[in-house]
Amino acid sequence: EIVMTQSPATLSVSPGERATLSCRASQSVSSNLAWYQQKPGQAPRLLIYGASTRATGIPARFSGSGSGTEFTLTISSLQSEDFAVYYCQQYNNWPPATFGGGTKVEIK
Amino acid sequence: EVQLVESGGGLVQPGGSLKLSCAASGFTFSGSAMHWVRQASGKGLEWVGRIRSKANSYATAYAASVKGRFTISRDDSKNTAYLQMNSLKTEDTAVYYCTRPQGDGAMASWGQGTLVTVSS
Repeated sequence: EIVMTQSPATLSVSPGERATLSCRASQSVSSNLAWYQQKPGQAPRLLIYGASTRATGIPARFSGSGSGTEFTLTISSLQSEDFAVYYCQQYNNWPPATFGGGTKVEIK
Repeated sequence: EVQLVESGGGLVQPGGSLKLSCAASGFTFSGSAMHWVRQASGKGLEWVGRIRSKANSYATAYAASVKGRFTISRDDSKNTAYLQMNSLKTEDTAVYYCTRPQGDGAMASWGQGTLVTVSS
C-alpha cells in the first residue's frame, strides 16, 4: 500500500499571501495524484487531478505540480473561502486508494 | 448536474449491521464505477471500497480494514449503489460518502455523507 504524507499538518497564512502545501508518496505514483479541499461540515471537493489539471470551476489561483513521489499544491493568493483542510490522494496503484493525512490552512 | 445522495446511516450496536444507499443522478450511472469513502470525526479520509460497472464485471475491491465485513453492490435499474456493513465495530463510526470517479480515478463527485455511529 502506498503511504501518502502531507506537510505541514497546519499552515498559518494571511489573506492575500501564497500557500504551499506538500504531499509525498512512499513510492512513485506517476502523475496520478489528486488534491481535495474540505470545509467544515462539507464533503470534500476535487481541486486538482493528474497532479496539475484543475477540475471544473476551480479558480486559477489553485495550481498543482510534481510527479513521481513529490507533489505541491500552491494557492497563489489566499482568499477567505480558501481556509480549509486539503488532502492529496493517489490513484496510480490501487486498490486501495490512499489519502494523505491532510493540511489545515488557517488564518494567521 | 451530478447528484449523489446517501441514506441509511444511524446508530447501531457493535456486532450489528447496516445498509447504506447512494442514489445517483445527472450522469450515466451504469457506466461508472462507484466508491465509498469514510471519515471519522476530526480525522482524515479513508477509502472503503469500490464497485466497477457491468462492463468491468461489477468487480469489487475493499480496504483491508473492512474486507470480509462490508459488501458493495449496485442496482443500475435504480441508479443506486449500496454498502452493506456487517459485524460493525466502534472504529467504523464515521461519515460515509459515496463518490463517482472520473476516468482517471480522481473522485470527481461526492455525496453529502451519512453518519454511522457504532455504539452500545
